[in-house]
Amino acid sequence: DTGVSQNPRHKITKRGQNVTFRCDPISEHNRLYWYRQTLGQGPEFLTYFQNEAQLEKSRLLSDRFSAERPKGSFSTLEIQRTEQGDSAMYLCASSEDLGDYEQYFGPGTRLTVT
Amino acid sequence: GENVEQHPSTLSVQEGDSAVIKCTYSDSASNYFPWYKQELGKGPQLIIDIRSNVGEKKDQRIAVTLNKTAKHFSLHITETQPEDSAVYFCAASNRDNYGQNFVFGPGTRLSVLP
Repeated sequence: DTGVSQNPRHKITKRGQNVTFRCDPISEHNRLYWYRQTLGQGPEFLTYFQNEAQLEKSRLLSDRFSAERPKGSFSTLEIQRTEQGDSAMYLCASSEDLGDYEQYFGPGTRLTVT
Repeated sequence: GENVEQHPSTLSVQEGDSAVIKCTYSDSASNYFPWYKQELGKGPQLIIDIRSNVGEKKDQRIAVTLNKTAKHFSLHITETQPEDSAVYFCAASNRDNYGQNFVFGPGTRLSVLP
C-alpha cells in the first residue's frame, strides 16, 4: 500500500473559477477527512466521511465547498467560484474505523487563487 | 470546543542536543494526543501518539509525556539530527467521539544546526 494520495499536487486558478481535488485513501480505511492548512498554521478540520456518508462539516466549509465520497473509496472536494482567501494547502487523511482512529495524511494539494 | 496551544513557535538546537515542544489543551474530554512532523512540501506524518491513560511513551529518540491534571503534553527529541528539522504539530481528540475532531496546534519549526 502506498498511503494516501492526492491529485493534483498544485493548482493555480483564477478567481471565480471552480476547482476539484481528488483524494485516494489507504485502501482498508473507512474514514476519510479533509483539512485546510494555511501558511504557518496547523491543519483545520473541514469535513469527514465514514464510508460514503458525510458525517460532520465544519463551519469553515462554506456553501461554495462540497465534498463527496460516492462509493466509499476516493473522495473529491470541489470549490465553486474560488476566492483569493481559498488559497491554502488542502490535506486529506484517512483512518481505520476503530482504536485511536490514527489519521494518516496525504501530501496535500496546494491551491493558489490569482 | 477544544483549543490547543503550542510553544515555542520556533526552536533552534545544535545537532546532538535535545529539543522539547510543549502543548496545552482546554477540553478535559480529550483523551488521544498525536504528534505529527511535516517536512516542506509534504503532508503531516504521524510520529508518536499517547492516550490519556498513559503518562509517558517512548520510541527510540522520541518521547511524549502527558499531564492530564494540568492539560499539558510534550514532545521530547533526544540526540537531534539535521533530518529532524521540520515543523512539528501536536493535536488533541476525543476517541469516545469517534476521533474525528482532531484539533491541531499552530506548529513549531525545529531547526537542527550541524
